[in-house]
Amino acid sequence: QKEVEQDPGPLSVPEGAIVSLNCTYSNSAFQYFMWYRQYSRKGPELLMYTYSSGNKEDGRFTAQVDKSSKYISLFIRDSQPSDSATYLCAMKDTGFQKLVFGTGTRLLVSP
Amino acid sequence: SQTIHQWPATLVQPVGSPLSLECTVEGTSNPNLYWYRQAAGRGLQLLFYSVGIGQISSEVPQNLSASRPQDRQFILSSKKLLLSDSGFYLCAWSITDNEQFFGPGTRLTVL
Repeated sequence: QKEVEQDPGPLSVPEGAIVSLNCTYSNSAFQYFMWYRQYSRKGPELLMYTYSSGNKEDGRFTAQVDKSSKYISLFIRDSQPSDSATYLCAMKDTGFQKLVFGTGTRLLVSP
Repeated sequence: SQTIHQWPATLVQPVGSPLSLECTVEGTSNPNLYWYRQAAGRGLQLLFYSVGIGQISSEVPQNLSASRPQDRQFILSSKKLLLSDSGFYLCAWSITDNEQFFGPGTRLTVL
């Protein structure tokens, strides 16, 4: 079993839809959770960063962490064609250098 | 603000040739530096990380090596490339040990 599981997609939605992207993980020691957006042939861009459980909102993006279920989500409201990209979740333990990444979910938002 | 540069952006090399990829960070001091490889559909694999000049930790045994000759410079090298070394190489930096920020990447094709 992989430490972090993420559906590769692609996930296709119409413009304006609410998008839900998810990751599950097995290591209960993970405390820090991140979402990255990666456009084709570009480096990943940090979108959201959360510590422990709870919600964090930034504009159209909401990150949610449920440590009891070992499940994290990224919601995108009013999705735009420019949101079309691969979304990577990442997480780490306290004080440990290594980020563990999911394999990414490809999102396609059609006009 | 901080910026991270990688070069070259694209590289095509024959099997058995040497490799040198460079990463530099501007606008910060004493960052943690990381080299990742991203293969198609396989997520990001941490190759090396460095917490200071001359300090290199290797995550995956392979024919690659890394060096940090200056505070904000990180170099990935190989003496003889293999076909399996093809991929998208990403450099990243962090200050907090949690959030990592990625460069634009180098796409390496070994023929």
